[in-house]
Amino acid sequence: GAVVSQHPSWVICKSGTSVKIECRSLDFQATTMFWYRQFPKQSLMLMATSNEGSKATYEQGVEKDKFLINHASLTLSTLTVTSAHPEDSSFYICSARYASGRETQYFGPGTRLLVL
Amino acid sequence: QQPVQSPQAVILREGEDAVINCSSSKALYSVHWYRQKHGEAPVFLMILLKGGEQKGHDKISASFNEKKQQSSLYLTASQLSYSGTYFCGTEGSFKAAGNKLTFGGGTRVLVKP
Repeated sequence: GAVVSQHPSWVICKSGTSVKIECRSLDFQATTMFWYRQFPKQSLMLMATSNEGSKATYEQGVEKDKFLINHASLTLSTLTVTSAHPEDSSFYICSARYASGRETQYFGPGTRLLVL
Repeated sequence: QQPVQSPQAVILREGEDAVINCSSSKALYSVHWYRQKHGEAPVFLMILLKGGEQKGHDKISASFNEKKQQSSLYLTASQLSYSGTYFCGTEGSFKAAGNKLTFGGGTRVLVKP
């Protein structure tokens, strides 16, 4: 299967700071990348869909100004959690897809964020 | 709308079989199955497309009944490595690019020796 990397794998930060998470597709060009958030023992909650060269599409209830997404190239998307607060602590996972229909999404290893 | 998975959890002995179901209230184009181990990201198992196909990977197979808007994942002769949470992700229609998946609530599988 395709390989997707995420960096960092975990991060601890102070309340009020911003954190940037990178998602890279290593062996394919991803037309679309997705960002998810997952709380313990819960399902994957889609935050936004990111298409290269265009603005991200956010799911209802997700603050655009708080979770900034940039899809700079076909292999890189970034999620920046601005002015992080303890309630933003979670497991953030990205996925990448190079075409719809006959292809699936491949997930990165995830980033565990802890805001103190 | 989120697909419904059942059961929510299942405990098996090594070698036993199990079935996980995924039902949608909307018409489906494709169903994607993933397994997630604790603390890790989901790993892709298989994709089933409209047309009622059935697929298999080792002793894990799946079917897709588009008329019933359902998919089932079959764990045959389960191994310890099958333990984890299984998610189905559904797609309502074909799109040229960028279609998102809607994930079910997950089914926790524990395989005991």
